[in-house]
Amino acid sequence: DTGVSQDPRHKITKRGQNVTFRCDPISEHNRLYWYRQTLGQGPEFLTYFQNEAQLEKSRLLSDRFSAERPKGSFSTLEIQRTEQGDSAMYLCASSSSEETQYFGPGTRLLVL
Amino acid sequence: AQSVSQHNHHVILSEAASLELGCNYSYGGTVNLFWYVQYPGQHLQLLLKYFSGDPLVKGIKGFEAEFIKSKFSFNLRKPSVQWSDTAEYFCAVTESSASKIIFGSGTRLSIRP
Repeated sequence: DTGVSQDPRHKITKRGQNVTFRCDPISEHNRLYWYRQTLGQGPEFLTYFQNEAQLEKSRLLSDRFSAERPKGSFSTLEIQRTEQGDSAMYLCASSSSEETQYFGPGTRLLVL
Repeated sequence: AQSVSQHNHHVILSEAASLELGCNYSYGGTVNLFWYVQYPGQHLQLLLKYFSGDPLVKGIKGFEAEFIKSKFSFNLRKPSVQWSDTAEYFCAVTESSASKIIFGSGTRLSIRP
């Protein structure tokens, strides 16, 4: 399968714990995006990388959130001191310069 | 700020009925428009897209959408739905000079067999 992959697919954690998610984009794609989707809503943009540079961050991305793409390939999204409001599906997408974004299966986070 | 409105939250149709899902966006500049679909248990997939040219675009599985600039609309249509079209449908927009996608809240389509 050469699509976008995400790991883990599900994560249950206790409030206050840190979690880290990984995204592997389609190999030739230089752009990588993170979105968050809550029940009954469409995905909301969090942040965007072009190669290893983080070019845009949403106001939704509080200080507890950090994303990296150290070698311009895979990316990680870390949430520190998780809160119940962080429970959501975290989606990763990638694209080349043609701008169509291809989405991964998501990581579903439940904070107890 | 940009926004996308999908007015129908849940649509229920019988097989072979015609479908039209409404989508309006608020942005005065040049935009790219998308419809994504999420089948039960699957991830978001691109159904069709409009960047420029013919405002009537055709996508996969017999879907089409029409971009009407004067109405800021990009409605999705299918002449005859099938049970397998049961899914959630998201309209989305990007500014041509930016990359982040702004999604609507989605329309859940249920098809009665």
